[in-house]
Amino acid sequence: SAVISQKPSRDICQRGTSLTIQCQVDSQVTMMFWYRQQPGQSLTLIATANQGSEATYESGFVIDKFPISRPNLTFSTLTVSNMSPEDSSIYLCSVDLAGTNYGYTFGSGTRLTVV
Amino acid sequence: GQQVMQIPQYQHVQEGEDFTTYCNSSTTLSNIQWYKQRPGGHPVFLIQLVKSGEVKKQKRLTFQFGEAKKNSSLHITATQTTDVGTYFCAYNTDKLIFGTGTRLQVFP
Repeated sequence: SAVISQKPSRDICQRGTSLTIQCQVDSQVTMMFWYRQQPGQSLTLIATANQGSEATYESGFVIDKFPISRPNLTFSTLTVSNMSPEDSSIYLCSVDLAGTNYGYTFGSGTRLTVV
Repeated sequence: GQQVMQIPQYQHVQEGEDFTTYCNSSTTLSNIQWYKQRPGGHPVFLIQLVKSGEVKKQKRLTFQFGEAKKNSSLHITATQTTDVGTYFCAYNTDKLIFGTGTRLQVFP
């Protein structure tokens, strides 16, 4: 299975600012996925990041709020822009090594608190 | 994508008791995956089921996929405190969609 390094692990940010979260994978993957997990809730897919093309966003998420970069097959960033307290969540990146039957592998998550 | 519902939302058990969580979909699923998320941790893949009526076991954990491929269950026999966490079912198309989750608390 893949190993994902995600950082920062946590941050406390002022409202109105932006935070960029990074994920590095130890192998090349076509798609990387970004999830949000609000306190006590399940995981909700924000977007799929494809190398060489724009990210595909799920309903309720827009590029202006959550811009994503995917410069190569092992790295992606998610920015949470113009933050408000409602953005306080855990953000996780994930990859699926298709055909390995190991399921999706997740980064350790970024716990974001907006004050 | 459609949401997959899990019941119960919470379960508190005494150590040694059994535990079951159920995952229900309104439409047929091509596969179902199960994940465990420890408190403060990230989801960790447990297993994938793809066949109608499939049953798989991992030590004290038994996973089942319904005949109609619309529901699944995870049963833990004789729970231990290490089983504490939230259990999610999920289905994979070209992306992974999570169920609502069941939080398990085990009291020693």
